[in-house]
Amino acid sequence: AQKVTQAQTEISVVEKEDVTLDCVYETRDTTYYLFWYKQPPSGELVFLIRRNSFDEQNEISGRYSWNFQKSTSSFNFTITASQVVDSAVYFCALRSEGDSWGKLQFGAGTQVVVTP
Amino acid sequence: KAGVTQTPRYLIKTRGQQVTLSCSPISGHRSVSWYQQTPGQGLQFLFEYFSETQRNKGNFPGRFSGRQFSNSRSEMNVSTLELGDSALYLCASRWTEASSTDTQYFGPGTRLTVL
Repeated sequence: AQKVTQAQTEISVVEKEDVTLDCVYETRDTTYYLFWYKQPPSGELVFLIRRNSFDEQNEISGRYSWNFQKSTSSFNFTITASQVVDSAVYFCALRSEGDSWGKLQFGAGTQVVVTP
Repeated sequence: KAGVTQTPRYLIKTRGQQVTLSCSPISGHRSVSWYQQTPGQGLQFLFEYFSETQRNKGNFPGRFSGRQFSNSRSEMNVSTLELGDSALYLCASRWTEASSTDTQYFGPGTRLTVL
């Protein structure tokens, strides 16, 4: 069975501080895909980044970066120089190749509050 | 490209009624999936449709059903509504031609309130 754990319920930072969101996942499949989504107060889930299990290269995309480590089953996400518009709930999600037809297993989410 | 659209955005129903929600995927996307989001249970997978066939189903009672049309648009139906069905219902679409690259993109959701 798949499981995604986001232990941080809420993180509060002041603008321009960096924010790192933790995500730990469990799956028995060797091929899987990890995602981060952002949900602003409007409710829509906005896709941010994805990482495939066979590609452990960590990257930076603008103010976003991620650290994928298969050895510890973690997929952490960092927002650099946070802005008020980054205030939202962030979800980590897992999709396993063996779980056919694309079911996403979500974590509980982390509320990020950025104050000016 | 237009994103995933969902109608209506808000609904208020009473217990015992039924409701139909609609989802139009991104053009060219052939798969549509549905999720329920509640404060207590978080985001839970309902089902996914591809080529007008249900391909995967979550752990929900039979009151929750769906269908997909030939143009990939999808509807979900909830019959005999219960108070616990109050939730944000999110629809997502994806291309499905290559698991290593396709990603679910979500619509704005339909907020259902059952009184």
